Amino acid sequence: GAVVSQHPSWVICKSGTSVKIECRSLDFQATTMFWYRQFPKQSLMLMATSNEGSKATYEQGVEKDKFLINHASLTLSTLTVTSAHPEDSSFYICSARETVNQPQHFGDGTRLSIL
Amino acid sequence: EDQVTQSPEALRLQEGESSSLNCSYTVSGLRGLFWYRQDPGKGPEFLFTLYSAGEEKEKERLKATLTKKESFLHITAPKPEDSATYLCAVQAGNTDKLIFGTGTRLQVFP
Repeated sequence: GAVVSQHPSWVICKSGTSVKIECRSLDFQATTMFWYRQFPKQSLMLMATSNEGSKATYEQGVEKDKFLINHASLTLSTLTVTSAHPEDSSFYICSARETVNQPQHFGDGTRLSIL
Repeated sequence: EDQVTQSPEALRLQEGESSSLNCSYTVSGLRGLFWYRQDPGKGPEFLFTLYSAGEEKEKERLKATLTKKESFLHITAPKPEDSATYLCAVQAGNTDKLIFGTGTRLQVFP
């Protein structure tokens, strides 16, 4: 149980393009989803928290207009990196949680490389 | 400021050689402490949640314990398939946010 699917797992694109990453909870309804960024040998850094049907809450220093988050249903959240540049290259990971008393379950991440 | 520090950064064990990983934390009102396992190129896999000092949880060769300042992940008679990075995270009482440590990279050799 508690499976979270993230797609795509790997993407390479040119500088200036936009990239959309999907996060789905497959066997539970996720009232809250989270987006993280992870650099090599560093800890996961929370970018934003989203509740179904509400606007995402972004962490300090994360550009809202660059990292667009949509949580339109209880099983799907998307992260769109707009006008991506090489410095946006990273490992992006989503997580989903069914209720406030449940742990977060993570997807397998998306390796984003901007050329 | 809420903070999580994990040690050691890396640990090499012979198969069957038991050891412990440490997670020290400072947080304003602990709501929960979480242990995850992360394999290379993958997302973290949930292992345990601990809520209060004195609590212990076990799963196969892993046992997690919690005090007011730190948590230990004990690995008994590890096998090569236990090789992974083990992450500790805390959640403060007034937020949804998990604060992660940088992890302990465990390698178990046959």
